[in-house]
Amino acid sequence: EVLLVESGGDSVQPGGSLRLSCAASGFIFNTYALSWVRQAPGKGLEWVSGMSATGGYTHYADSVKGRFTVSRDSSRNTLSLEMRSLRAEDTALYYCARLNTGTAAAASRGGYFDHWGQGTLVTVSS
Amino acid sequence: EVLLTQSPGTLSLSPGEGVTLSCRASQSVISNYLAWYQQKPGQAPRLLIYGASTRATDTPDRFSGSGSGTDFTLTISRLESEDFGLYYCQQYGSSPRTFGQGTKVEMK
Repeated sequence: EVLLVESGGDSVQPGGSLRLSCAASGFIFNTYALSWVRQAPGKGLEWVSGMSATGGYTHYADSVKGRFTVSRDSSRNTLSLEMRSLRAEDTALYYCARLNTGTAAAASRGGYFDHWGQGTLVTVSS
Repeated sequence: EVLLTQSPGTLSLSPGEGVTLSCRASQSVISNYLAWYQQKPGQAPRLLIYGASTRATDTPDRFSGSGSGTDFTLTISRLESEDFGLYYCQQYGSSPRTFGQGTKVEMK
């Protein structure tokens, strides 16, 4: 069974930093691209960042480019999202999602989300 | 980026009724790379349809997807109680991947 378990969400002040993690199991980790997708309270889904299966390619939404960094550790089967200079508009439930493919292009396009975690909540407020 | 507009915003229906949800793209979706997801309150989204018309594993056959280019639909032939919730379309042919704003299917 594919499992994605996010952690690291917290309440932080504007300008602060946070690191999210996604522990993956039930599949061969380095053969699938992974992404972060967020959902602000009561709002729709927004793709945030993606990384190819081997970690060689990354891609970010314009809204987080330069502030967020995605990485993956195949020794621990973990995807991470380092978030800096957080803003109120970053407040959301952050989901880790697996793409159905592992290609380099899948960091940004060409794959759909076939499995999702339950999310971890990030609140940015003073 | 490809803007996806879903309509209607909300539908109020009874179990047993059929429903069609619309998703319109601002430009042609490459290779008809269009997916549909279902989200229930307090739950993560769940993949229903990919490639515009292919049902995902475990998607009941009362769900069907169709369309091409800029116009796509998700049809539920006969609503069951577990089908009420939010539905999102998403295109993955162009970067960045984008989602529609969602259609809520609520029980009348």
